[in-house]
Amino acid sequence: AQKVTQAQTEISVVEKEDVTLDCVYETRDTTYYLFWYKQPPSGELVFLIRRNSFDEQNEISGRYSWNFQKSTSSFNFTITASQVVDSAVYFCALSEGNSGYSTLTFGKGTMLLVSP
Amino acid sequence: DADVTQTPRNRITKTGKRIMLECSQTKGHDRMYWYRQDPGLGLRLIYYSFDVKDINKGEISDGYSVSRQAQAKFSLSLESAIPNQTALYFCATSEDEDQPQHFGDGTRLSIL
Repeated sequence: AQKVTQAQTEISVVEKEDVTLDCVYETRDTTYYLFWYKQPPSGELVFLIRRNSFDEQNEISGRYSWNFQKSTSSFNFTITASQVVDSAVYFCALSEGNSGYSTLTFGKGTMLLVSP
Repeated sequence: DADVTQTPRNRITKTGKRIMLECSQTKGHDRMYWYRQDPGLGLRLIYYSFDVKDINKGEISDGYSVSRQAQAKFSLSLESAIPNQTALYFCATSEDEDQPQHFGDGTRLSIL
């Protein structure tokens, strides 16, 4: 069975600090997909990134970067120079990809509070 | 207009009432999902549908039922609501298992 662990329940930082959100996953499949979503205080869920198991390249998008390491089953998310608008709950999610019938399993989320 | 629309956005009701939450999408996706979110528990899958004739139970389907009226519409029903079903409910769609899910804005449901 697939599982996603986000061990950090809540993180508080001051604006301009860098922060890393951890995500560890478990799966028996060799083909799988990892996702990050953001849920700001307004409540909607915003898709941030998708990564497949065969692509271990790190990705950078502006102040956001993602580090995918199959050796440690981790897909960590770093925000550089955090801003107040980054305050949100962030979810990591996993979909196994061999059957065509897989669904997303979410971690419990990490609440990030960025203070001015 | 939103790609995934949930109605109502907020609902307060009493124990024992029947409630229907509706979801419609304009993305043309076959796959649709219903989740509930509780503080500290993340999102948990209630039901999912991979096409109009395909309905599957998720992790926490007890007390809920669904109807897939068309490719674009997927409704969630609580036949006899109870207070521990108070939660934030999300509908989502996706093109395939390897593609991101797109979420509606959520329905905040309170059962007194």
